Amino acid sequence: DAKTTQPTSMDCAEGRAANLPCNHSTISGNEYVYWYRQIHSQGPQYIIHGLKNNETNEMASLIITEDRKSSTLILPHATLRDTAVYYCIVRVEYGNKLVFGAGTILRVKS
Amino acid sequence: GAGVSQSPSNKVTEKGKDVELRCDPISGHTALYWYRQRLGQGLEFLIYFQGNSAPDKSGLPSDRFSAERTGESVSTLTIQRTQQEDSAVYLCASSSYRGQQYFGPGTRLTVT
Repeated sequence: DAKTTQPTSMDCAEGRAANLPCNHSTISGNEYVYWYRQIHSQGPQYIIHGLKNNETNEMASLIITEDRKSSTLILPHATLRDTAVYYCIVRVEYGNKLVFGAGTILRVKS
Repeated sequence: GAGVSQSPSNKVTEKGKDVELRCDPISGHTALYWYRQRLGQGLEFLIYFQGNSAPDKSGLPSDRFSAERTGESVSTLTIQRTQQEDSAVYLCASSSYRGQQYFGPGTRLTVT
């Protein structure tokens, strides 16, 4: 699975959009971009995934660049409950294990 | 419906003792995964079960670690002769064959 690079931490004001970047320059043609998050003392939670088209669900939007070498997870109206570690993972769709990096610590502040 | 459950939620054991951690996956999920998360670190893959296929044990750190799963039901992770470096949160996840992984709340293991 391709390696990803994410900023160590980010701050966001409550009610504003949180934009979390991820670089995956070695992504292969059959690999998807997955996002999970882990709120303190809980297990990770699936957010969204995509191949090359932008995706949106009730939690977030995923914007993937045309060359697929980077992506951005967007939380449109961040709340204090969105404070968590966000993991960007690249792998084949529905492959077996997830390989977690260090992720980005997102702090939403009032 | 019920999510993935794990027991116990917390376990304190003495160095050298054996421990068993239990995972109850979501009903109908054919795949089950175990991960470990040491304090302040990311998740490490341990083992993966998919239906009746041979499990992927590539992440088990030593032969003190083993896991079993009967059919598509409960799984048990066993750590023999525990060491202090085994202290971590052990997370279980399950998924349908082509679905997303859903994680349980984890078992916090402390080896004293």
